[in-house]
Amino acid sequence: DGGITQSPKYLFRKEGQNVTLSCEQNLNHDAMYWYRQDPGQGLRLIYYSQIVNDFQKGDIAEGYSVSREKKESFPLTVTSAQKNPTAFYLCASTPDRPTGFEKLFFGSGTQLSVL
Amino acid sequence: EDKVVQSPLSLVVHEGDTVTLNCSYEVTNFRSLLWYKQEKKAPTFLFMLTSSGIEKKSGRLSSILDKKELFSILNITATQTGDSAVYLCAVGKLQGTGGFKTIFGAGTRLFVKA
Repeated sequence: DGGITQSPKYLFRKEGQNVTLSCEQNLNHDAMYWYRQDPGQGLRLIYYSQIVNDFQKGDIAEGYSVSREKKESFPLTVTSAQKNPTAFYLCASTPDRPTGFEKLFFGSGTQLSVL
Repeated sequence: EDKVVQSPLSLVVHEGDTVTLNCSYEVTNFRSLLWYKQEKKAPTFLFMLTSSGIEKKSGRLSSILDKKELFSILNITATQTGDSAVYLCAVGKLQGTGGFKTIFGAGTRLFVKA
């Protein structure tokens, strides 16, 4: 079955540590996205990528980094510069570049907590 | 500043009840309004609305958009325990730079009691 796989489901970060969240899709989608979900708030866009080897900052990119070396993969690194990383992280994809009409396909998320 | 506001934030009903979830928005360069259902973890798509007054239906769920008053409602009739979830409203917009983005509301958490 086609879909988006995020791993791990749960992740703990120590102070000063960088951690990487994995996102893999086999939908052959061009565009991929990372969102952060906090209780009582809407999903907020961290980064997105429309094609391989290209990505753009979203609304809350500070303290995060991404890469898009393969069409199927869009890993997110939460760096030590992100002072409040505890949140639920969702990866999503769309078949084409964003147009404002896109239906997002989501993975099952990673819950990141700080030790 | 663009915003999408959902109400109520949470709702508890009994099986068989009908519920109405609200989504109001103030977004420039509106393109579309979307509803998602988030059970457990992964949001799944329900509806996309782009024109006023045209009801979209899928089984017991329906939704309509009012672009003049800037809101949408999601109706669920004859609720079942499987309808328990967080319902997310999102608006797609054209950005001034020529790009596009999706703005999400905080969601409505629905719990259906057996």
